[in-house]
Amino acid sequence: ILNVEQSPQSLHVQEGDSTNFTCSFPSSNFYALHWYRWETAKSPEALFVMTLNGDEKKKGRISATLNTKEGYSYLYIKGSQPEDSATYLCAHLSGNTGKLIFGQGTTLQVKP
Amino acid sequence: ETGVTQSPTHLIKTRGQQVTLRCSSQSGHNTVSWYQQALGQGPQFIFQYYREEENGRGNFPPRFSGLQFPNYSSELNVNALELDDSALYLCASSPQTGDILEAFFGQGTRLTVV
Repeated sequence: ILNVEQSPQSLHVQEGDSTNFTCSFPSSNFYALHWYRWETAKSPEALFVMTLNGDEKKKGRISATLNTKEGYSYLYIKGSQPEDSATYLCAHLSGNTGKLIFGQGTTLQVKP
Repeated sequence: ETGVTQSPTHLIKTRGQQVTLRCSSQSGHNTVSWYQQALGQGPQFIFQYYREEENGRGNFPPRFSGLQFPNYSSELNVNALELDDSALYLCASSPQTGDILEAFFGQGTRLTVV
């Protein structure tokens, strides 16, 4: 993996469904992995910054895991609500550059 | 609210013109990064400024330039605008450089070049 890739590109679920997205990133020279939630016409909102292999973080119904050896992170949303509808971006921080490399995002639509 | 504001929110320019986009960072954040998001893509790193000096640059031509001021504001300047410069431009401020473990984004400036 040379770039940051996210899948799926878009997702439509019903209210109450649980869902998950994948972020793949280069496993070499890893420094940190960021997850952002981005609603239309708003600023991207930081969800998690993950740095350690095996890290698992949780914020309410949203959680994320990290595997730096194989270069992937999963974002889980339990019991999706319409207000969870947004684009979810992951970004890889490589080395000590301060430069975030973003995936193209996963757009989630939760239907009531 | 991230405490980072950008202006203007929308802008229409003609090919060949010059544009200045502005960002006001959180107080105390001495690092600001600029990103370009073209349609259907993730944000692409343009450059970063730390204490008023450029501190890293992405794959963008020299007609993209920036300034950072002591009052935690910054500018992105683009000369000789091309149609492909049409995009959403985001700035992000951070309390430190290098190992950026926190980045706070503005809401973006939508630039349309016609």
